[in-house]
Amino acid sequence: AQSVAQPEDQVNVAEGNPLTVKCTYSVSGNPYLFWYVQYPNRGLQFLLKYITGDNLVKGSYGFEAEFNKSQTSFHLKKPSALVSDSALYFCAVRHNTNAGKSTFGDGTTLTVKP
Amino acid sequence: EPEVTQTPSHQVTQMGQEVILRCVPISNHLYFYWYRQILGQKVEFLVSFYNNEISEKSEIFDDQFSVERPDGSNFTLKIRSTKLEDSAMYFCASKGLYEQYFGPGTRLTVT
Repeated sequence: AQSVAQPEDQVNVAEGNPLTVKCTYSVSGNPYLFWYVQYPNRGLQFLLKYITGDNLVKGSYGFEAEFNKSQTSFHLKKPSALVSDSALYFCAVRHNTNAGKSTFGDGTTLTVKP
Repeated sequence: EPEVTQTPSHQVTQMGQEVILRCVPISNHLYFYWYRQILGQKVEFLVSFYNNEISEKSEIFDDQFSVERPDGSNFTLKIRSTKLEDSAMYFCASKGLYEQYFGPGTRLTVT
């Protein structure tokens, strides 16, 4: 079985400050890890992924995430938050098989205040 | 950039009616999925589809649900007899090498 935990329902940061959205996972074998963002009444937009290689992965809109195998974490970060980053963020894990389903966390609402 | 499309964007139906949700995956993708999201909640896996058959399905995907790829481009989800609790946002996704790309969703409202 695979699972994802996003321990924070809500993260509030001031514009210009760094942001972190936390994610931990559980999966047998090597994980594929993903972050998606969802704006109100919209679909899920892919941000970034970790498959293998460098533990720090860079994605869209200045976001990055750090894979930490020992802590089974894949926290999403951005050095300087924008008001437009305010949205719902989902972490997802998938076993490294081709047809494997993704399991999503409960989501974290990020609010960036001006 | 290629994208997954879904129709309709919003479907209202009465309890007990059949609905078909339609998706056009990205053309060179081989793996297809349906997920649902009850308002503001977690995204839940329903079913995966590869090589014209179901690869995996969740416990939500009971006998009332079916999927089909009727031609080379469409991927459909059918709910035979809708229930109130089927009201949700339904997302189609297709997968290339690693990540899944999601469509904009169909909001299904069962009254």
